[in-house]
Amino acid sequence: SAVISQKPSRDICQRGTSLTIQCQVDSQVTMMFWYRQQPGQSLTLIATANQGSEATYESGFVIDKFPISRPNLTFSTLTVSNMSPEDSSIYLCSVDGGGTETQYFGPGTRLLVL
Amino acid sequence: SQQGEEDPQALSIQEGENATMNCSYKTSINNLQWYRQNSGRGLVHLILIRSNEREKHSGRLRVTLDTSKKSSSLLITASRAADTASYFCATNTNAGKSTFGDGTTLTVKP
Repeated sequence: SAVISQKPSRDICQRGTSLTIQCQVDSQVTMMFWYRQQPGQSLTLIATANQGSEATYESGFVIDKFPISRPNLTFSTLTVSNMSPEDSSIYLCSVDGGGTETQYFGPGTRLLVL
Repeated sequence: SQQGEEDPQALSIQEGENATMNCSYKTSINNLQWYRQNSGRGLVHLILIRSNEREKHSGRLRVTLDTSKKSSSLLITASRAADTASYFCATNTNAGKSTFGDGTTLTVKP
């Protein structure tokens, strides 16, 4: 299994600012995913990030709002831009299990926007 | 919209009792997985069942899959207070990408 860390673990931000969340994996992985979990709700996929190519965004999410970087096979960042209180959520990164058909998740970043 | 719907939304039982959660989905799948989430933290993978399997066991967990009804169930036997968490099903139709259900919040009272 992959061990995934995220930074920061939580943050409180002012509306209109941006926050970059980092995701580090202890092994090289092809696909990384970013999810949003709004309060009391399930996980919604924001985008899929493959190394060396642009991220693929799901319906309802755009690159200007959630720019993603994937500079190598062990690291990715998600930026939440021009934040509003509606962006208050837990943001989780995950990686594919490399043939195990499972996904492994980071501990999440809890974001509160005031 | 989410692929999976789960019921019940919330379940409260006494320690030692069994807990059953159900998940329904809408399209054909490659596999279905169950995850646990404690207090809004990261998800922990519990068990995976493939579309050609009907039942799977792992410790106190038993998962069934009925592809004709597009539904799955998770049974936790002899529950413990430490099982208190939210449980999510997730379906996988394309390599690596999972679509999550709404989740069931389980409370096990000591």
